[in-house]
Amino acid sequence: DAGVTQSPTHLIKTRGQHVTLRCSPISGHKSVSWYQQVLGQGPQFIFQYYEKEERGRGNFPDRFSARQFPNYSSELNVNALLLGDSALYLCASSLRVNTGELFFGEGSRLTVL
Amino acid sequence: QKEVEQDPGPLSVPEGAIVSLNCTYSNSAFQYFMWYRQYSRKGPELLMYTYSSGNKEDGRFTAQVDKSSKYISLFIRDSQPSDSATYLCAMSAGGGGQNFVFGPGTRLSVLP
Repeated sequence: DAGVTQSPTHLIKTRGQHVTLRCSPISGHKSVSWYQQVLGQGPQFIFQYYEKEERGRGNFPDRFSARQFPNYSSELNVNALLLGDSALYLCASSLRVNTGELFFGEGSRLTVL
Repeated sequence: QKEVEQDPGPLSVPEGAIVSLNCTYSNSAFQYFMWYRQYSRKGPELLMYTYSSGNKEDGRFTAQVDKSSKYISLFIRDSQPSDSATYLCAMSAGGGGQNFVFGPGTRLSVLP
């Protein structure tokens, strides 16, 4: 079975632009979470969706938004990009919402110039 | 005090050594404890998953949780160069992703 897939793998944007990152969870997983990982740090929680509903939101500005589709895939959108948004964006899927048994994709590496 | 603390390393050991990686935490509500391995420029991979206190063994890996001391450990026996990676501890209080916290990770190098 395929694992969590993310696209694009790498992208370069300029300040003020908008970006959309996509994620397909493991088949049968209904929960998708998004994380931001800056070099040298652990992943920071952004959003969690379960059955198309937002189940958690981390401490990120409103420029960050996400949604989950009926097939459980998900998009993360970031508006008005800042230099500090440069990071590895990770998507993780799980069977359940509560336990933290997460399966990660390879990530989308965003560079903002 | 940070919610989860982990020595960032780097930690270098010779091949075959026993490696001990540790995390401390402050939130007594944490009840799910995980260790992830992350190779350079890759996503984290779940290694060990433990609920509440106790030990769990899987091959060369042993995870220990001491909730009374708010301390978790990962032991790697007979370490191999392929174990060279960053090891992230993670903890969850349940109830969704906002209650799930990663440590900063320890970078491990196993030298042949």
